[in-house]
Amino acid sequence: DTAVSQTPKYLVTQMGNDKSIKCEQNLGHDTMYWYKQDSKKFLKIMFSYNNKELIINETVPNRFSPKSPDKAHLNLHINSLELGDSAVYFCASSLDRGELFFGEGSRLTVL
Amino acid sequence: AQSVTQLGSHVSVSEGALVLLRCNYSSSVPPYLFWYVQYPNQGLQLLLKYTSAATLVKGINGFEAEFKKSETSFHLTKPSAHMSDAAEYFCAVTTDNTDKLIFGTGTRLQVFP
Repeated sequence: DTAVSQTPKYLVTQMGNDKSIKCEQNLGHDTMYWYKQDSKKFLKIMFSYNNKELIINETVPNRFSPKSPDKAHLNLHINSLELGDSAVYFCASSLDRGELFFGEGSRLTVL
Repeated sequence: AQSVTQLGSHVSVSEGALVLLRCNYSSSVPPYLFWYVQYPNQGLQLLLKYTSAATLVKGINGFEAEFKKSETSFHLTKPSAHMSDAAEYFCAVTTDNTDKLIFGTGTRLQVFP
């Protein structure tokens, strides 16, 4: 039974389109995150939510909008996709500080 | 603000040899330090963590790391490399006053037979 699951695993789309990535965790954790991993494997935090409340919002373009309908779900919607948005997006959840459980990632390719 | 620096983006060892992956941290308050491993096309998995208890921390798969405040280091070691250890390894830091986990740039470990 997957602890943190993301869908879809792969997205290929054209510039200017809108796309969403969904994330669900069944670990009962209160905190969830979105991280972006670029082509050089660099990981950068984008957002974190604690029990549906936005806690961290890094300097991410406002084309990116997270949404947490409940503490087990954290979705990411991206408007007007750009070439530079191509990356692997990881969802994660945590119970204790720094101990993150990651999903398998969603690879976004913008053409 | 806190940060971590991983020295060496690539490390190659022979199977059975010692693995040493270097990580130095910067933090104005006591840090919590972590090592994560990422296998190809997978998410990250926690290897071990330091949270101000014992300075020598043992993790999964035979890895361990030692917190050295005087050197601001948290290097990852394993006495004998196995082929299955080939992966990307990330050092990370956070502190008591933030939920943000900051990752280093990663070190790719290659293990040769």
